[in-house]
Amino acid sequence: EDKVVQSPLSLVVHEGDTVTLNCSYEVTNFRSLLWYKQEKKAPTFLFMLTSSGIEKKSGRLSSILDKKELFSILNITATQTGDSAVYLCAFLESRDDKIIFGKGTRLHILP
Amino acid sequence: DAGVTQSPTHLIKTRGQQVTLRCSPKSGHDTVSWYQQALGQGPQFIFQYYEEEERQRGNFPDRFSGHQFPNYSSELNVNALLLGDSALYLCASSRLYQGNNSPLHFGNGTRLTVT
Repeated sequence: EDKVVQSPLSLVVHEGDTVTLNCSYEVTNFRSLLWYKQEKKAPTFLFMLTSSGIEKKSGRLSSILDKKELFSILNITATQTGDSAVYLCAFLESRDDKIIFGKGTRLHILP
Repeated sequence: DAGVTQSPTHLIKTRGQQVTLRCSPKSGHDTVSWYQQALGQGPQFIFQYYEEEERQRGNFPDRFSGHQFPNYSSELNVNALLLGDSALYLCASSRLYQGNNSPLHFGNGTRLTVT
């Protein structure tokens, strides 16, 4: 059965710290790995990773995929209170647009 | 450009009742997926509709059914509600076989409470 495992499940850090969120997966028909941020309602898209070893960056956020070891990490540097959210990792199947999510990492940034 | 819209935003139902949730996809999108998100969990895939047909289905009982209309909007129906059906129901739209953009755009969800 396809699955996505995220760690840690929750994390509390102080503003300014750097955090690394982990995602490992076991997938039969892998096409891409995705990261979403969910604050209260709709998850919002952060990154889509298809190729191994290529880092994607957006401001203080960056992510990379290792297709050999079947994992991805999401880094957030110089964290701010607005980064507090649930970060969801998911994979996109190659046959269609079905996306399977992990349980998420709940990140809380203390001022 | 309107994003994905869902209605209602909140709903309270009693066990055994039936509920219908509605979703209008983002303009230009033709595929609608439904997810159930229980408290503290990631979204769980229910099913996906394309060209008015169910393309894929997750591990949900037949009490969960759906429909897609010619204008690409969609409904999720749940019969014989159970307490465990209480969750945030998210609708997501996409354009099938889209390239590098995000494959899913989510609506804000419908919070269903079953008492």
